[in-house]
Amino acid sequence: AQSVTQPDIHITVSEGASLELRCNYSYGATPYLFWYVQSPGQGLQLLLKYFSGDTLVQGIKGFEAEFKRSQSSFNLRKPSVHWSDAAEYFCAVERRGSTLGRLYFGRGTQLTVWP
Amino acid sequence: DAGITQSPRYKITETGRQVTLMCHQTWSHSYMFWYRQDLGHGLRLIYYSAAADITDKGEVPDGYVVSRSKTENFPLTLESATRSQTSVYFCASSEPGGTQGFGPGTRLLVL
Repeated sequence: AQSVTQPDIHITVSEGASLELRCNYSYGATPYLFWYVQSPGQGLQLLLKYFSGDTLVQGIKGFEAEFKRSQSSFNLRKPSVHWSDAAEYFCAVERRGSTLGRLYFGRGTQLTVWP
Repeated sequence: DAGITQSPRYKITETGRQVTLMCHQTWSHSYMFWYRQDLGHGLRLIYYSAAADITDKGEVPDGYVVSRSKTENFPLTLESATRSQTSVYFCASSEPGGTQGFGPGTRLLVL
């Protein structure tokens, strides 16, 4: 079955520490890949996306993600976390060739940042 | 400002009542989507629309109805609300090949 897996439901890090959020997908062909962030009570904001080309993608707010085809992964990273990064993070995929841009989401990872 | 607006932002209703959630976008995007967000499930697609008068079911359409008479509006109706429809509902839109932008969400509580 096709799926998007975020294995970590909740992650806690100290402010200033590095962060890596995991995302794995299971699709026949490499899909388009996205990371969204949701702050409490807010909608979803796009952090970054991968369509093709360089496998290391830079996003907003100092985030980056690396696409690894061999591992079917698209992990999100940040070298130094700020307290304002506390939020829920969603990995999403879109099948290549999809006519409607339909997204499939992982279940999300809740990030807590300790001062 | 351009973007997606949803109304109401918060709604409490009772089991069996009809509820309509509104979504309006000013980007003139062709595609529009309705998702529900539940703890442990992430976002799941309810319905989507490719253009005015063209809609189709997503992953969890049961109990919901949509319409799209105008490009900018995509209302979602719960015909007879049930407690299991208590959720946060997000509307999104995009252009073909573009990235989806999301509204702020509607928190619905069904008593």
